[in-house]
Amino acid sequence: GAVVSQHPSRVICKSGTSVKIECRSLDFQATTMFWYRQFPKQSLMLMATSNEGSKATYEQGVEKDKFLINHASLTLSTLTVTSAHPEDSSFYICSARGTDEGDNSPLHFGNGTRLTVT
Amino acid sequence: AQKVTQAQTEISVVEKEDVTLDCVYETRDTTYYLFWYKQPPSGELVFLIRRNSFDEQNEISGRYSWNFQKSTSSFNFTITASQVVDSAVYFCALSEARYGGATNKLIFGTGTLLAVQP
Repeated sequence: GAVVSQHPSRVICKSGTSVKIECRSLDFQATTMFWYRQFPKQSLMLMATSNEGSKATYEQGVEKDKFLINHASLTLSTLTVTSAHPEDSSFYICSARGTDEGDNSPLHFGNGTRLTVT
Repeated sequence: AQKVTQAQTEISVVEKEDVTLDCVYETRDTTYYLFWYKQPPSGELVFLIRRNSFDEQNEISGRYSWNFQKSTSSFNFTITASQVVDSAVYFCALSEARYGGATNKLIFGTGTLLAVQP
């Protein structure tokens, strides 16, 4: 159980275009989802926390107008990278916590999306 | 502020050797949680263990064992008789306990790349 599906797994786009990444909890409802970014050989950096039905909370230094997060339902959160540039190329990973899980329960992670901006 | 340090960037061992991955954390809270995750080459994050700050008992799960020492703020991970399939990046992470609907962030260390040679 507790499967998180992230789509697409890989995407290549041209500079200036926008890319949407979906994160779905397949067999549970997730009130809270987290979006992380991982540079090659580096750690996962928390970008933002999204709660169903409310605005996302962004970490310091993350541009909310560039990385649009929508958490419209208890099973879906989306991250849209707007006007992508080569420096946005990275590995993006979403994670989710079930509505019936404790505040400190382990997160369930998606398989990540490799974004390459040319 | 929270911080997780994994001083070992890369470790290479030969199959059947034992290996210990170090993790040192910093937090001002008295209640917190520590985690270990495994990230194989495919990219997904696999949850291995969660430990709360009040439970200093060491834990063993098959070939995996964890040593939690509050006195040194360390939460080290040992793999006994390593196998090629253990090759992955291993992340230690810290979450400060928040209750009552507050969102708990998971702060990751920089990871240790373990390469197990046949």
